[in-house]
Amino acid sequence: AQTVTQSQPEMSVQEAETVTLSCTYDTSESDYYLFWYKQPPSRQMILVIRQEAYKQQNATENRFSVNFQKAAKSFSLKISDSQLGDAAMYFCAYSPGGGSQGNLIFGKGTKLSVKP
Amino acid sequence: DAGVTQSPTHLIKTRGQQVTLRCSPKSGHDTVSWYQQALGQGPQFIFQYYEEEERQRGNFPDRFSGHQFPNYSSELNVNALLLGDSALYLCASSLGIGRRVYNEQFFGPGTRLTVL
Repeated sequence: AQTVTQSQPEMSVQEAETVTLSCTYDTSESDYYLFWYKQPPSRQMILVIRQEAYKQQNATENRFSVNFQKAAKSFSLKISDSQLGDAAMYFCAYSPGGGSQGNLIFGKGTKLSVKP
Repeated sequence: DAGVTQSPTHLIKTRGQQVTLRCSPKSGHDTVSWYQQALGQGPQFIFQYYEEEERQRGNFPDRFSGHQFPNYSSELNVNALLLGDSALYLCASSLGIGRRVYNEQFFGPGTRLTVL
């Protein structure tokens, strides 16, 4: 069975600084997707960034980037120039590829605090 | 363009009762997935509906059942409520499972269920 592990229950960063959130996963599949979701206090889960397993290039979305290490099954999120609005729960998630999409497997989350 | 909507926002029930939660997918989406998010945990996949049929199911008992209507909206029913069913229930919609392309899931704001 696939699993997703986030080993940092809480993280803190100073505004304008950079922070990295860690995630490891376990799967025997070769076709899959990895995601980082943000859940602010409003509860709405928002997709931050995704990575297709077959792509070697790390995904980037503005201030958000990932370090995808497929052999090590590691998928970390780097937030640059942190802003107060980045404060939220961050969840790492895995999804099988192809026709099995939709069954997202989430980690337990990392609570990110941003200090002004 | 309305996103994913869920009703009600909050709900309080007592043990043994039955509850129905509702979800309207994002315009143009035909697939609905349901997740249970216990306090302090990541969401757990319950099941997914496409073409009015349950297509995938997570590790949840038969007390959890669902339905999808011809307009793609969906209901989640939980019978014989237990204290442990208290959680945030999230609905996510996407377009056309089974396609061998990435289909982003868009989440609703959730329904907070409290079982007393």
